[in-house]
Amino acid sequence: SQTIHQWPATLVQPVGSPLSLECTVEGTSNPNLYWYRQAAGRGLQLLFYSVGIGQISSEVPQNLSASRPQDRQFILSSKKLLLSDSGFYLCAWSTYQETQYFGPGTRLLVL
Amino acid sequence: QKEVEQNSGPLSVPEGAIASLNCTYSDRGSQSFFWYRQYSGKSPELIMFIYSNGDKEDGRFTAQLNKASQYVSLLIRDSQPSDSATYLCAVIVGGSYIPTFGRGTSLIVHP
Repeated sequence: SQTIHQWPATLVQPVGSPLSLECTVEGTSNPNLYWYRQAAGRGLQLLFYSVGIGQISSEVPQNLSASRPQDRQFILSSKKLLLSDSGFYLCAWSTYQETQYFGPGTRLLVL
Repeated sequence: QKEVEQNSGPLSVPEGAIASLNCTYSDRGSQSFFWYRQYSGKSPELIMFIYSNGDKEDGRFTAQLNKASQYVSLLIRDSQPSDSATYLCAVIVGGSYIPTFGRGTSLIVHP
């Protein structure tokens, strides 16, 4: 069966510091991968998606970036965090036109 | 622009009652429909998906799809306090792998 991991589970970072969040999927190959952010009391905002290694599409221009160095690994990064980057970051995977499955999420607080 | 609308609630129902959650969508090309449950502080988990007009039942949950009227609903029979959560509706347009999520409906089941 497929499983999806995210780490860290929680993170407190100062404004201006860098960020690296990691997501890995097991039990499937060539998945579509997604990064979402959910601010407190808000809906899901799609940040990036990837259909293959090195293929990244950005939905929202901002100070975040994503990379997919391996088939089942998806990384979200920032060089300098802003207060507005605080939120719940969710990684998800799917196969074409099928259900998205979410990881456990990373709660980020930028102070 | 694709839109998925849900009443934010909260919808409050007594234990043992039927909870009815509704979702409307704007794109007539939508082909895949999903319901997720999200407990406070946790990531969304899939409850059901439906592709064809009509009803689909899974235990206490029934998804209903009406493409002519562009709505999809979720019925929860014999509601339990453990069903208290936010329910997210998601829709995928044919040919896409990017779901559009509603902002969710908060359900409260009181004893």
